[in-house]
Amino acid sequence: GAVVSQHPSRVICKSGTSVKIECRSLDFQATTMFWYRQFPKQSLMLMATSNEGSKATYEQGVEKDKFLINHASLTLSTLTVTSAHPEDSSFYICSAGIRDRGTDTQYFGPGTRLTVL
Amino acid sequence: GQQLNQSPQSMFIQEGEDVSMNCTSSSIFNTWLWYKQEPGEGPVLLIALYKAGELTSNGRLTAQFGITRKDSFLNISASIPSDVGIYFCAGQLVGGNKLVFGAGTILRVKS
Repeated sequence: GAVVSQHPSRVICKSGTSVKIECRSLDFQATTMFWYRQFPKQSLMLMATSNEGSKATYEQGVEKDKFLINHASLTLSTLTVTSAHPEDSSFYICSAGIRDRGTDTQYFGPGTRLTVL
Repeated sequence: GQQLNQSPQSMFIQEGEDVSMNCTSSSIFNTWLWYKQEPGEGPVLLIALYKAGELTSNGRLTAQFGITRKDSFLNISASIPSDVGIYFCAGQLVGGNKLVFGAGTILRVKS
């Protein structure tokens, strides 16, 4: 149980294009989904928190117009990197939260490697 | 922002040895989670701790939620080559649902 998928697993795109990443909870409905970014040899950095049917909450320093998040259902959230540039190249990971004992336990997807040329 | 101090930063040990790593914070957490991440993959949940003082095992892994709610440790007994990876602690602040992550402990096992 508690399986989270991401698609695509890796994507290479040209500078200026937009890229959409999907995050799905396969066997449960997630109360909340989270989007992280991870640079090589670093820890995970939270970008935004997403609840179904409402606007995402972005962390300080994360541009909401650059990283568009849509949370259409309790099992699907998407992150669109708009007008991507080489500095947006990174490992993007989503997680889905299950409410358990009053807190959200987060289960992570396998990540999406984005390379912007 | 909130920070977790995770140590050690890396470990290179002999197969069969026991491993211990820990996280501390100046803030109080209501949940501690330990994850393992392998190259090119997302973190996998190893152990979740929900109560101060809680000691939980998962196979050769044991983790404890510190009684002060500001620290946690993870032990791995009798390490094997497939234990290689990066181990992250993560804490959830009281009243919130976001996780604060440690910097990670890189574990290498020599067989």
